[in-house]
Amino acid sequence: DAMVIQNPRYQVTQFGKPVTLSCSQTLNHNVMYWYQQKSSQAPKLLFHYYDKDFNNEADTPDNFQSRRPNTSFCFLDIRSPGLGDAAMYLCATSRDPGSNQPQHFGDGTRLSIL
Amino acid sequence: AQKITQTQPGMFVQEKEAVTLDCTYDTSDPSYGLFWYKQPSSGEMIFLIYQGSYDQQNATEGRYSLNFQKARKSANLVISASQLGDSAMYFCAMREDLTGANNLFFGTGTRLTVIP
Repeated sequence: DAMVIQNPRYQVTQFGKPVTLSCSQTLNHNVMYWYQQKSSQAPKLLFHYYDKDFNNEADTPDNFQSRRPNTSFCFLDIRSPGLGDAAMYLCATSRDPGSNQPQHFGDGTRLSIL
Repeated sequence: AQKITQTQPGMFVQEKEAVTLDCTYDTSDPSYGLFWYKQPSSGEMIFLIYQGSYDQQNATEGRYSLNFQKARKSANLVISASQLGDSAMYFCAMREDLTGANNLFFGTGTRLTVIP
């Protein structure tokens, strides 16, 4: 049974049109993460929530924002997508932020920009 | 400096043979965790195995084992008895406790192809 669920699997949007990607988890984990992965590259952390505390990576563009209304759900909002934002977006969770905690990933949402 | 280095962009292995995927890391943090993930072409990232910096024994999970050499800062993944379904991208990753504790640093990955 999927424990980290991302919807949709594939998302197409127009240049400049806001888009929201969603992630839900059944693990009751405290930490939720959003990664961006461009073709043939490693995933790059955008931001994460530890409970309700939001932590933005220094080089995450202002165009990217996130919301976590409750423990189970986390959203990635891209306010004005550009062509360079086409990528796979991966949501992950971990019970706690410690170094011994593996992150469990969803299947990802592949975003295309027209 | 790169936190995680995977020097093999691609590897081939014959079905049923063993294969080693290399990973070296760089950290001054005494407490850290090392992870291997598998990413098939469908895109999901699958957690395979974990090794803690203080663990005395090498981690094993079924056909996966981690050859942890702390002094050399290497954490190679060994896959025994390769199967066709093992063909995928493999990422080595590290998480540090004291510095960048919430960031999982990934290597650039190794694409493994299992040949029938």
